[in-house]
Amino acid sequence: SQTIHQWPATLVQPVGSPLSLECTVEGTSNPNLYWYRQAAGRGLQLLFYSVGIGQISSEVPQNLSASRPQDRQFILSSKKLLLSDSGFYLCAWKGHPSSYEQYFGPGTRLTVT
Amino acid sequence: GEDVEQSLFLSVREGDSSVINCTYTDSSSTYLYWYKQEPGAGLQLLTYIFSNMDMKQDQRLTVLLNKKDKHLSLRIADTQTGDSAIYFCAESPTGNQFYFGTGTSLTVIP
Repeated sequence: SQTIHQWPATLVQPVGSPLSLECTVEGTSNPNLYWYRQAAGRGLQLLFYSVGIGQISSEVPQNLSASRPQDRQFILSSKKLLLSDSGFYLCAWKGHPSSYEQYFGPGTRLTVT
Repeated sequence: GEDVEQSLFLSVREGDSSVINCTYTDSSSTYLYWYKQEPGAGLQLLTYIFSNMDMKQDQRLTVLLNKKDKHLSLRIADTQTGDSAIYFCAESPTGNQFYFGTGTSLTVIP
């Protein structure tokens, strides 16, 4: 069966520090991968998605970036965090290409201080 | 991204039916979804419907789609306290990108 992992589960970082959040998927190959952010009291915002290694589509221009160095690994990064980057970051995967179902990881709670 | 709107809060009594509503803007959306999020957790896929369907039933869940009005609803029959959570509506025009609503917080009163 497929599982999706995210780490760390929680993170407290100062403004201006770098960020690296990691997501890995097991039990599937060539998935679509996604990064979302959920700000407090708000819905999910699609940040990036990837349909293959090295293929990243950005939905929202900001100081975040994403990379997919391996088929089942998706990384969200920032060189300098802003206060507004605080939120709940969710990784998700979808079978590719004909699946319609998207599944989410447990999330990372990021607090920028 | 696309605009997906939901009311923020809904309270129902245990045993009653809950109806959570959603409107979306992209008339070309092919897939429409309902997800459930419990506190501090990721999202759990509840059900989805294709745009060529009007209704889908799955145990206590009934999804209704009015494509003309771009309106999607989720009915939960015999609502239980364990159904208390945030429910998200989502649309996918292509099957690759997903756009989510703001979520409806459902509170079930015992």
